[in-house]
Amino acid sequence: GNSVTQMEGPVTLSEEAFLTINCTYTATGYPSLFWYVQYPGEGLQLLLKATKADDKGSNKGFEATYRKETTSFHLEKGSVQVSDSAVYFCALSDRGGNNRLAFGKGNQVVVIP
Amino acid sequence: ETGVTQTPRHLVMGMTNKKSLKCEQHLGHNAMYWYKQSAKKPLELMFVYNFKEQTENNSVPSRFSPECPNSSHLFLHLHTLQPEDSALYLCASSQETHYEQYFGPGTRLTVT
Repeated sequence: GNSVTQMEGPVTLSEEAFLTINCTYTATGYPSLFWYVQYPGEGLQLLLKATKADDKGSNKGFEATYRKETTSFHLEKGSVQVSDSAVYFCALSDRGGNNRLAFGKGNQVVVIP
Repeated sequence: ETGVTQTPRHLVMGMTNKKSLKCEQHLGHNAMYWYKQSAKKPLELMFVYNFKEQTENNSVPSRFSPECPNSSHLFLHLHTLQPEDSALYLCASSQETHYEQYFGPGTRLTVT
């Protein structure tokens, strides 16, 4: 079946540091890939997406590239701000599979001033 | 109003109460979802509705009863809940079930 794996544990880093959150996936068909962000006390917001291999999704300084050869969709940002503190979820949607989103467990990111 | 709205934002109820959560989407989508988000647990999909028809029920206890009167509205009726049902309940919608989902702000439910 479809599944998404995110690196274990929270991520704590200083302002202006480089952020990477790893995401790998397993899918039976041709998935679209997403990153969602959840700020404290809010629902999930779509941050970026990529619908086919080698696509790069980008938004608010965040980027992720759809790598079919490594089945990965790692999220990166070159210089984080305190306002980027949130939980980040990787997800996939597979039209050849069960036609709904599969979410990773999420990573808490804490940016310290 | 735009996007996906949920009411109430916070709810405290006793185990013998009956209450309902409401979700409304203003995006013209055809699919709607209920999720449960508990502390330190993965996001749990509860129900899926596509074109007002329930297409998925992930072994949710019968004390949770969904209702989808039209493609824009989704309810979750609650009765005789347990303290372990305390969580953030999120509603989402999407154009079709394999498209990206848009989430509401959630209802923070506390069962006492």
